[in-house]
Amino acid sequence: DSGVTQTPKHLITATGQRVTLRCSPRSGDLSVYWYQQSLDQGLQFLIQYYNGEERAKGNILERFSAQQFPDLHSELNLSSLELGDSALYFCASSVQAGITGELFFGEGSRLTVL
Amino acid sequence: EDKVVQSPLSLVVHEGDTVTLNCSYEVTNFRSLLWYKQEKKAPTFLFMLTSSGIEKKSGRLSSILDKKELFSILNITATQTGDSAVYLCAVPLTIQGAQKLVFGQGTRLTINP
Repeated sequence: DSGVTQTPKHLITATGQRVTLRCSPRSGDLSVYWYQQSLDQGLQFLIQYYNGEERAKGNILERFSAQQFPDLHSELNLSSLELGDSALYFCASSVQAGITGELFFGEGSRLTVL
Repeated sequence: EDKVVQSPLSLVVHEGDTVTLNCSYEVTNFRSLLWYKQEKKAPTFLFMLTSSGIEKKSGRLSSILDKKELFSILNITATQTGDSAVYLCAVPLTIQGAQKLVFGQGTRLTINP
Protein backbone atom coordinates (compact mmCIF):
# COMPACT_ATOMS: atom_id res chain seq x y z
CA ASP A 1 0.00 0.00 0.00
CA SER A 2 1.58 3.24 -1.19
CA GLY A 3 -0.58 5.44 1.01
CA VAL A 4 -2.10 7.22 -2.00
CA THR A 5 -5.85 6.74 -2.27
CA GLN A 6 -7.82 7.11 -5.46
CA THR A 7 -11.57 6.94 -5.97
CA PRO A 8 -13.49 5.60 -7.72
CA LYS A 9 -11.60 2.46 -8.71
CA HIS A 10 -13.84 1.87 -11.71
CA LEU A 11 -16.12 4.18 -13.61
CA ILE A 12 -18.27 3.52 -16.66
CA THR A 13 -19.94 6.42 -18.40
CA ALA A 14 -21.16 7.58 -21.79
CA THR A 15 -19.66 9.90 -24.35
CA GLY A 16 -20.32 13.55 -23.67
CA GLN A 17 -20.51 13.09 -19.93
CA ARG A 18 -18.36 14.58 -17.19
CA VAL A 19 -16.59 12.73 -14.38
CA THR A 20 -14.45 13.65 -11.40
CA LEU A 21 -11.59 11.50 -10.14
CA ARG A 22 -10.32 12.03 -6.65
CA CYS A 23 -6.89 11.52 -5.11
CA SER A 24 -5.66 11.73 -1.53
CA PRO A 25 -1.86 11.87 -1.37
CA ARG A 26 0.31 10.21 1.26
CA SER A 27 0.32 11.96 4.58
CA GLY A 28 2.86 14.77 4.43
CA ASP A 29 3.22 14.81 0.64
CA LEU A 30 2.63 18.20 -0.93
CA SER A 31 2.94 17.26 -4.60
CA VAL A 32 0.26 15.47 -6.58
CA TYR A 33 0.77 14.24 -10.13
CA TRP A 34 -1.84 12.94 -12.54
CA TYR A 35 -1.01 10.40 -15.24
CA GLN A 36 -3.07 8.74 -17.93
CA GLN A 37 -2.26 5.20 -19.02
CA SER A 38 -3.88 3.79 -22.12
CA LEU A 39 -2.91 0.63 -23.99
CA ASP A 40 -1.17 2.34 -26.85
CA GLN A 41 0.28 5.37 -25.10
CA GLY A 42 1.91 4.19 -21.92
CA LEU A 43 2.03 6.47 -18.89
CA GLN A 44 1.42 10.05 -19.99
CA PHE A 45 1.96 12.95 -17.61
CA LEU A 46 -1.04 15.23 -17.35
CA ILE A 47 -0.47 17.77 -14.61
CA GLN A 48 1.22 18.40 -11.25
CA TYR A 49 0.12 20.42 -8.26
CA TYR A 50 2.30 21.45 -5.36
CA ASN A 51 0.77 22.77 -2.16
CA GLY A 52 -2.36 23.92 -3.92
CA GLU A 53 -0.79 25.50 -6.97
CA GLU A 54 -0.31 24.18 -10.48
CA ARG A 55 3.36 23.34 -10.91
CA ALA A 56 3.81 21.57 -14.23
CA LYS A 57 1.60 20.78 -17.15
CA GLY A 58 1.90 17.94 -19.61
CA ASN A 59 -0.32 16.67 -22.39
CA ILE A 60 -3.56 17.58 -20.69
CA LEU A 61 -6.52 18.26 -22.95
CA GLU A 62 -8.52 21.47 -22.58
CA ARG A 63 -11.54 19.31 -21.70
CA PHE A 64 -9.65 18.16 -18.61
CA SER A 65 -8.94 20.23 -15.54
CA ALA A 66 -7.57 19.61 -12.09
CA GLN A 67 -7.16 21.30 -8.77
CA GLN A 68 -5.59 20.68 -5.40
CA PHE A 69 -7.50 21.69 -2.31
CA PRO A 70 -6.23 23.13 1.00
CA ASP A 71 -6.29 19.66 2.56
CA LEU A 72 -4.00 18.61 -0.33
CA HIS A 73 -6.38 16.17 -1.95
CA SER A 74 -6.72 16.63 -5.68
CA GLU A 75 -9.46 16.17 -8.23
CA LEU A 76 -9.18 15.57 -11.96
CA ASN A 77 -12.23 16.65 -13.92
CA LEU A 78 -12.84 15.14 -17.34
CA SER A 79 -15.62 16.63 -19.45
CA SER A 80 -17.20 16.08 -22.87
CA LEU A 81 -15.86 12.57 -22.66
CA GLU A 82 -14.86 10.72 -25.80
CA LEU A 83 -14.24 7.03 -26.41
CA GLY A 84 -10.52 7.72 -26.53
CA ASP A 85 -10.54 8.98 -22.97
CA SER A 86 -11.00 5.42 -21.74
CA ALA A 87 -7.88 4.72 -19.74
CA LEU A 88 -6.41 4.12 -16.33
CA TYR A 89 -5.83 7.40 -14.52
CA PHE A 90 -3.14 7.39 -11.87
CA CYS A 91 -2.41 9.84 -9.15
CA ALA A 92 1.04 9.94 -7.57
CA SER A 93 2.45 11.98 -4.74
CA SER A 94 5.77 13.09 -3.36
CA VAL A 95 7.02 15.37 -0.64
CA GLN A 96 8.79 17.95 -2.74
CA ALA A 97 7.95 19.97 -5.82
CA GLY A 98 10.83 18.60 -7.83
CA ILE A 99 11.47 14.95 -8.61
CA THR A 100 14.31 14.04 -6.29
CA GLY A 101 13.10 10.58 -5.42
CA GLU A 102 10.35 8.15 -6.04
CA LEU A 103 6.76 9.01 -6.72
CA PHE A 104 4.18 6.99 -4.82
CA PHE A 105 1.35 5.85 -7.06
CA GLY A 106 -2.23 5.11 -6.19
CA GLU A 107 -4.06 2.07 -7.54
CA GLY A 108 -5.64 4.10 -10.31
CA SER A 109 -9.13 4.85 -11.53
CA ARG A 110 -10.20 2.88 -14.56
CA LEU A 111 -12.46 4.96 -16.78
CA THR A 112 -14.50 3.32 -19.51
CA VAL A 113 -16.36 5.59 -21.91
CA LEU A 114 -19.08 3.85 -23.92
CA GLU B 1 12.85 16.17 -28.61
CA ASP B 2 13.26 14.55 -25.21
CA LYS B 3 12.50 10.86 -25.25
CA VAL B 4 12.81 7.66 -23.25
CA VAL B 5 12.88 4.39 -25.19
CA GLN B 6 12.75 0.90 -23.72
CA SER B 7 13.61 -2.39 -25.32
CA PRO B 8 12.48 -5.00 -25.80
CA LEU B 9 8.79 -4.11 -25.57
CA SER B 10 7.97 -7.69 -24.66
CA LEU B 11 10.01 -10.60 -23.36
CA VAL B 12 9.05 -14.16 -22.47
CA VAL B 13 11.52 -16.39 -20.61
CA HIS B 14 11.53 -19.45 -18.41
CA GLU B 15 11.81 -19.41 -14.67
CA GLY B 16 15.44 -19.32 -13.61
CA ASP B 17 16.63 -17.38 -16.64
CA THR B 18 18.46 -14.06 -16.38
CA VAL B 19 17.02 -11.09 -18.22
CA THR B 20 18.36 -7.69 -19.18
CA LEU B 21 16.00 -4.81 -19.88
CA ASN B 22 17.19 -1.68 -21.63
CA CYS B 23 16.29 1.96 -21.34
CA SER B 24 17.85 4.65 -23.51
CA TYR B 25 17.18 8.33 -23.17
CA GLU B 26 17.74 11.61 -24.90
CA VAL B 27 16.96 14.45 -22.55
CA THR B 28 18.38 17.85 -21.83
CA ASN B 29 19.76 18.51 -18.36
CA PHE B 30 19.73 14.86 -17.34
CA ARG B 31 19.79 14.36 -13.58
CA SER B 32 18.42 10.91 -12.80
CA LEU B 33 16.69 7.82 -14.10
CA LEU B 34 14.12 5.77 -12.23
CA TRP B 35 12.93 2.19 -12.65
CA TYR B 36 9.43 1.07 -11.69
CA LYS B 37 7.67 -2.30 -11.69
CA GLN B 38 4.00 -2.40 -12.62
CA GLU B 39 2.16 -5.63 -11.92
CA LYS B 40 -1.59 -5.24 -11.97
CA LYS B 41 -2.15 -1.66 -11.02
CA ALA B 42 0.12 0.88 -9.39
CA PRO B 43 3.76 1.21 -10.48
CA THR B 44 6.10 0.54 -7.58
CA PHE B 45 9.53 2.06 -7.27
CA LEU B 46 12.64 -0.06 -7.79
CA PHE B 47 15.69 2.16 -8.24
CA MET B 48 16.82 5.69 -8.78
CA LEU B 49 20.15 6.18 -10.56
CA THR B 50 22.07 9.39 -10.69
CA SER B 51 25.71 8.42 -11.04
CA SER B 52 27.24 6.68 -13.98
CA GLY B 53 28.79 3.27 -13.47
CA ILE B 54 27.50 2.68 -9.95
CA GLU B 55 25.34 -0.40 -9.66
CA LYS B 56 22.24 -0.35 -7.53
CA LYS B 57 21.19 -3.74 -6.23
CA SER B 58 18.19 -5.16 -4.45
CA GLY B 59 18.10 -8.93 -4.12
CA ARG B 60 18.02 -10.45 -7.59
CA LEU B 61 17.49 -7.08 -9.26
CA SER B 62 20.26 -4.71 -10.19
CA SER B 63 20.59 -1.66 -12.36
CA ILE B 64 23.34 0.48 -13.75
CA LEU B 65 23.50 3.77 -15.58
CA ASP B 66 25.82 4.81 -18.41
CA LYS B 67 25.65 8.59 -18.75
CA LYS B 68 28.11 8.64 -21.62
CA GLU B 69 26.11 6.28 -23.79
CA LEU B 70 22.77 7.52 -22.39
CA PHE B 71 21.26 4.27 -21.27
CA SER B 72 20.44 2.15 -18.27
CA ILE B 73 19.92 -1.57 -17.88
CA LEU B 74 17.88 -3.51 -15.38
CA ASN B 75 19.04 -7.06 -14.69
CA ILE B 76 16.99 -9.75 -13.05
CA THR B 77 18.76 -12.99 -12.20
CA ALA B 78 17.17 -16.35 -11.36
CA THR B 79 13.78 -15.07 -12.50
CA GLN B 80 10.61 -16.21 -10.77
CA THR B 81 7.01 -16.14 -11.94
CA GLY B 82 6.43 -13.28 -9.52
CA ASP B 83 8.78 -11.15 -11.58
CA SER B 84 6.21 -11.10 -14.38
CA ALA B 85 5.25 -7.46 -14.79
CA VAL B 86 5.72 -4.39 -16.91
CA TYR B 87 9.00 -2.66 -16.12
CA LEU B 88 9.06 1.07 -16.67
CA CYS B 89 11.93 3.47 -16.77
CA ALA B 90 11.41 7.19 -16.33
CA VAL B 91 13.44 10.36 -16.50
CA PRO B 92 12.59 13.70 -14.87
CA LEU B 93 12.44 16.54 -17.40
CA THR B 94 12.70 20.18 -16.39
CA ILE B 95 10.52 22.46 -18.46
CA GLN B 96 10.18 26.13 -17.59
CA GLY B 97 11.43 25.51 -14.09
CA ALA B 98 9.05 22.64 -13.36
CA GLN B 99 9.80 18.94 -13.46
CA LYS B 100 7.75 16.17 -14.93
CA LEU B 101 8.54 12.47 -14.93
CA VAL B 102 8.53 11.05 -18.44
CA PHE B 103 8.11 7.30 -18.82
CA GLY B 104 9.22 4.91 -21.51
CA GLN B 105 6.72 2.54 -23.10
CA GLY B 106 7.65 -0.24 -20.72
CA THR B 107 8.90 -3.81 -21.18
CA ARG B 108 6.32 -6.50 -20.55
CA LEU B 109 8.18 -9.41 -18.96
CA THR B 110 6.54 -12.81 -18.73
CA ILE B 111 8.18 -15.58 -16.73
CA ASN B 112 6.90 -19.05 -17.56
CA PRO B 113 7.26 -21.85 -15.01
